[in-house]
Amino acid sequence: DVKVTQSSRYLVKRTGEKVFLECVQDMDHENMFWYRQDPGLGLRLIYFSYDVKMKEKGDIPEGYSVSREKKERFSLILESASTNQTSMYLCASRATVNEQFFGPGTRLTVL
Amino acid sequence: LAKTTQPISMDSYEGQEVNITCSHNNIATNDYITWYQQFPSQGPRFIIQGYKTKVTNEVASLFIPADRKSSTLSLPRVSLSDTAVYYCLVGEGFSGGYNKLIFGAGTRLAVHP
Repeated sequence: DVKVTQSSRYLVKRTGEKVFLECVQDMDHENMFWYRQDPGLGLRLIYFSYDVKMKEKGDIPEGYSVSREKKERFSLILESASTNQTSMYLCASRATVNEQFFGPGTRLTVL
Repeated sequence: LAKTTQPISMDSYEGQEVNITCSHNNIATNDYITWYQQFPSQGPRFIIQGYKTKVTNEVASLFIPADRKSSTLSLPRVSLSDTAVYYCLVGEGFSGGYNKLIFGAGTRLAVHP
């Protein structure tokens, strides 16, 4: 059974903290993605990676960075967390055409 | 990237067939049509994908008319566990490289006893 796991389901951080969200997939997929989901705004793409050490900005990259040192792991980094980054963060890896496998999500609250 | 329009919400009852229609007037020749399902506090899950005519799997059917400007997701005999948000997406279909998925607001389906 294919699997995408995320390091935490719930996370509470303080403004200004550096936050790491980890995502691991066991399907040997080359492409991985980070989205955030907010009520009324749907899913928005933050960053994606099409191979190890390769990354591209999505639609809303400001305030975020990513790291892909190994094929199975894609990390999202909030350099200095702010309250407007409170959201549900979803990681996905790409299988075939238009088919992405999503992790369970991390609900991040920044106080 | 083609924009999609689908109803914000729908209600149904257990055992009924549910059809959710999505319009995508600007669909391109290379675009595939894909549907995802999302339960509360979970990531979206791929349901079905098609290019034209009809596609059926163990979960749903997808009907695509000849002009491909719309598509209909059909869920046979829904149960309470089918209560979820359903997203219609169109995206370029190629086996290599990156293709961007755009998730709209989706259709919130509520199945009642």
